[in-house]
Amino acid sequence: DAGVIQSPRHEVTEMGQEVTLRCKPISGHNSLFWYRQTMMRGLELLIYFNNNVPIDDSGMPEDRFSAKMPNASFSTLKIQPSEPRDSAVYFCASTPWEQADTQYFGPGTRLTVL
Amino acid sequence: QKEVEQNSGPLSVPEGAIASLNCTYSDRGSQSFFWYRQYSGKSPELIMFIYSNGDKEDGRFTAQLNKASQYVSLLIRDSQPSDSATYLCAVNRGGTDKLIFGTGTRLQVFP
Repeated sequence: DAGVIQSPRHEVTEMGQEVTLRCKPISGHNSLFWYRQTMMRGLELLIYFNNNVPIDDSGMPEDRFSAKMPNASFSTLKIQPSEPRDSAVYFCASTPWEQADTQYFGPGTRLTVL
Repeated sequence: QKEVEQNSGPLSVPEGAIASLNCTYSDRGSQSFFWYRQYSGKSPELIMFIYSNGDKEDGRFTAQLNKASQYVSLLIRDSQPSDSATYLCAVNRGGTDKLIFGTGTRLQVFP
């Protein structure tokens, strides 16, 4: 079975530009999590969805960040406008309903904002 | 106080030795505890989970949980150079599906 799929794997953009990160969870999984990882702050939860509904977005740093999950097989994380401090690796993870706290991570998107 | 605390390391052990990784957490309502391994440039990979006090063994790995002391550990027996990675401790926030991660301990196993 395919694991969690993320695209793009690498993104380099200039400050002020819009960035959209994409995630396809494992088929049959019903929860999806977006994380950001930096050297300074480690792995931070940004937002998570259960059955496509946002449950907790308290980790979203500010209004520049937004996330959607229009269906069970796709989610996006958008940053508009991007800033250099947004540079990080962004991970998506999904969990099956029968083991709701066991998260499977995608390969991540390395974002660099110049 | 951080919710999940780990020593950043690096922890250096010789090949064949036991590596001991430790983690403390602050939320007494936490019920689920996880160890993830992360190789440089890769994503976190789940290696162990534990729900009950005591020890849980899986191959060369043993997870230990002491809820009274709010302490979780991971022992790696017969350490191999391929075990060299960062090990992340994760704890669920009580009553939720949210995992709170520590900043990780970097393990180096030298031949």
